[in-house]
Amino acid sequence: NAGVTQTPKFQVLKTGQSMTLQCAQDMNHEYMSWYRQDPGMGLRLIHYSVGAGITDQGEVPNGYNVSRSTTEDFPLRLLSAAPSQTSVYFCASSYSTPTGNTIYFGEGSWLTVV
Amino acid sequence: QQQVKQSPQSLIVQKGGISIINCAYENTAFDYFPWYQQFPGKGPALLIAIRPDVSEKKEGRFTISFNKSAKQFSLHIMDSQPGDSATYFCAASNGGYNKLIFGAGTRLAVHP
Repeated sequence: NAGVTQTPKFQVLKTGQSMTLQCAQDMNHEYMSWYRQDPGMGLRLIHYSVGAGITDQGEVPNGYNVSRSTTEDFPLRLLSAAPSQTSVYFCASSYSTPTGNTIYFGEGSWLTVV
Repeated sequence: QQQVKQSPQSLIVQKGGISIINCAYENTAFDYFPWYQQFPGKGPALLIAIRPDVSEKKEGRFTISFNKSAKQFSLHIMDSQPGDSATYFCAASNGGYNKLIFGAGTRLAVHP
């Protein structure tokens, strides 16, 4: 049971390049999401999904695309990388319980845009 | 606009002492308040969480105190240990899913 797996762990991009951050979970969770973490700002929600085929925007969606074709996978696409997208990206998955959602985070993807 | 304000930014505590981290929120529709612990190079991990229908929740050395009228909640770490040294985030959500609003984080250092 691997939990939430993110790839790549580290990536350097040039301004204007595109790339996809991969996220996979093996816990059959219905909910998945992407956050970015910047110093002094905590984590901010980029996009989220409540099930296969359903996605929606979070706090900071501009410059990112997502899709959810399967329960397991939730890739994050950077369309045209900008230095402002230099950040640590975390994928998360969760399931709902009567007392709240238990959210599991991946180990992060460090992205630098030069 | 920061919906969840966390303080202090950093905290140094002696081994065996009590670590206290505070958060304040604005949106009265929030109904779930988790705390996350993050070690360097790792993703955040759920530590403890509370709903607004209770004023306190305790799990081992970790306690959440919740004040609904003041719109504040805090994390208390009793008998703090060097292994507790990490960054702690409070968060809040309305309606579950993965839509958490995080505080800016507190870097805790517990000195032996």
